[in-house]
This record gives sequence, C-alpha cells and structure tokens, in this order.
Amino acid sequence: DSGVTQTPKHLITATGQRVTLRCSPRSGDLSVYWYQQSLDQGLQFLIQYYNGEERAKGNILERFSAQQFPDLHSELNLSSLELGDSALYFCASTQQGLARETQYFGPGTRLLVL
Amino acid sequence: AQTVTQSQPEMSVQEAETVTLSCTYDTSESDYYLFWYKQPPSRQMILVIRQEAYKQQNATENRFSVNFQKAAKSFSLKISDSQLGDAAMYFCAYRRKGADGLTFGKGTHLIIQP
Repeated sequence: DSGVTQTPKHLITATGQRVTLRCSPRSGDLSVYWYQQSLDQGLQFLIQYYNGEERAKGNILERFSAQQFPDLHSELNLSSLELGDSALYFCASTQQGLARETQYFGPGTRLLVL
Repeated sequence: AQTVTQSQPEMSVQEAETVTLSCTYDTSESDYYLFWYKQPPSRQMILVIRQEAYKQQNATENRFSVNFQKAAKSFSLKISDSQLGDAAMYFCAYRRKGADGLTFGKGTHLIIQP
C-alpha cells in the first residue's frame, strides 16, 4: 500500500459524458501527478500540481482539466468523453515535487467509455 | 523531447535464474533520474530501483541491480535469483531535473517459468 488513494476504482460511462476522478496523496505530500495508461499510448504524464498550483503539463487534452484543493487532494475532470479515453488513470504523489523524489502511485481508476 | 525505449516486449526466465531487461533513452540533459517500476497483474505501480545520473555507481536493491551507461544512454535492470513473484510488466522511466513528470517506456512483460 503506497498511501495514495484513488476513487472510484472503476467507472463505466458513455461517450459525451463528464467524469471526475479523485486522488488523495500520501500524508505530508504536497505534489500530485496524474498519468494515463492506455493500450495505444502506454503510460503518459498528464499534469502535475504542487500545493494547489499547476507546476507542469504533459500530454493532457483540452477536454481534461485538474485541480488541487487546499486539503491537497486532487481531482481530474474528463469531459466530452470519447471511446479512446478508456484507460487506467493513475495518481502519484511526492513530498516536494522534486525530480529526485520517488513518485508513489495510487491503485488507479479504470475508466471504460462505451 | 525525451524518449525511453524498451526493445524487449516480452522476456522469459527460469525460476532462480538471472535476467536482464534493456532500456535506452534519449535526452540532451546532463542531470536526470532513471527509474524501474514494476506493474504486477494487480496494476499497482511499484518502484523497483532508481538511479541518479550524476552518480557513477550503479544502484542495487537486494536482487535487483542496474547497469547505467551514461554515455551510451543505457539503463538495464538485472534481476538475480528470479522468483515467481517477479512476474510482471517492467517499465523504465526517465525524469529530467526540474518540475516534470515521468517519461515511460512501453514496458517489458517478464514471465517466470517454474
């Protein structure tokens, strides 16, 4: 158990819909990262937040957005969902958001878009 | 952009034998970090080992060790005394110094033959 929690574990929805994935980092960690794992694209970095502020952006689509709240939990919002958005979405956390730190991953949210 | 290449989609090894997984990367940076993550069937991402580019000494964690060749941009993982619990997908990952996410390779599926 990494200490990072993600809800829900599974999500099934239809094309065109909007969903919100939630992540709680390890106790004391200020930085949160979101990743997408799909068969087509592999594991891709989406976005990083540090203490409520966006710090780095990866291959995140404009239909996707994220935020980190004062209690440090983070939410990833996916809208206008397409079949290709079906994937495993991971959240990871580190204490300071530094490159040398190990990123601890949550168990993931499996999204299926029908 | 940085890229990480794992040229072996699948590897098979007998239990108790030694196996080496290959990883090469492309970067113009001089300071960066390299990681090997394991993803068992549960899909949890688990850190196996990490290497700082500025360190010449190869990292070792129990039965896991790396061969880091900076000039060749190569970062292979050696697993000694393979155990059934080592069966998993193994991902090589790169992170440059500074605020950024991990760049992953496509992964190597490791099969352990009893």
